Amino acid sequence: AQRVTQPEKLLSVFKGAPVELKCNYSYSGSPELFWYVQYSRQRLQLLLRHISRESIKGFTADLNKGETSFHLKKPFAQEEDSAMYYCALTAWQGGSEKLVFGKGTKLTVNP
Amino acid sequence: DARVTQTPRHKVTEMGQEVTMRCQPILGHNTVFWYRQTMMQGLELLAYFRNRAPLDDSGMPKDRFSAEMPDATLATLKIQPSEPRDSAVYFCASGLAGVSAYEQYFGPGTRLTVT
Repeated sequence: AQRVTQPEKLLSVFKGAPVELKCNYSYSGSPELFWYVQYSRQRLQLLLRHISRESIKGFTADLNKGETSFHLKKPFAQEEDSAMYYCALTAWQGGSEKLVFGKGTKLTVNP
Repeated sequence: DARVTQTPRHKVTEMGQEVTMRCQPILGHNTVFWYRQTMMQGLELLAYFRNRAPLDDSGMPKDRFSAEMPDATLATLKIQPSEPRDSAVYFCASGLAGVSAYEQYFGPGTRLTVT
């Protein structure tokens, strides 16, 4: 069964410090993985997808198929990065595709 | 800038009462998803529809929850009777069939508190 695990519910770092939000997945196939972010009082929105291999707001994430991980990293955290982060994968079920989310990690960047 | 809208934004109700949450998907989108967000469980998919037909509602407690799409511009999620454990934020998202599921646009959510 497809599953996404985010082992840390809460993560707190100081401004300027590196940050890594962990994500592990299980999926019997070739997964597509994503990171979503929800800033305070805002809608959930897509941050980045592994296929595009891009850096968004200084964040990057590399898919490691050997370790089945898709950790989100940023070398220097900013206070505005404080938010809820969800790792997700797309899974096919019953002929339709859906998103499977992890339980989320709340990141707090302290001044 | 087209957006998914949800009403009400906040709802406080007593245990046993019926709760109806509404979602207006982006015009032209034909796939609608309902999620529940809690601190303990994160984001859980409750149900989703394509062209108004339910495709998967396996994430939804069937005894008290029901989801419908009376027309292409309205999706509803109903809880009857409500219980304190239903307290959560309920999100609706819409997308286009044939486009990857990750391209979903989320509404602002309905924060439900059941006392």
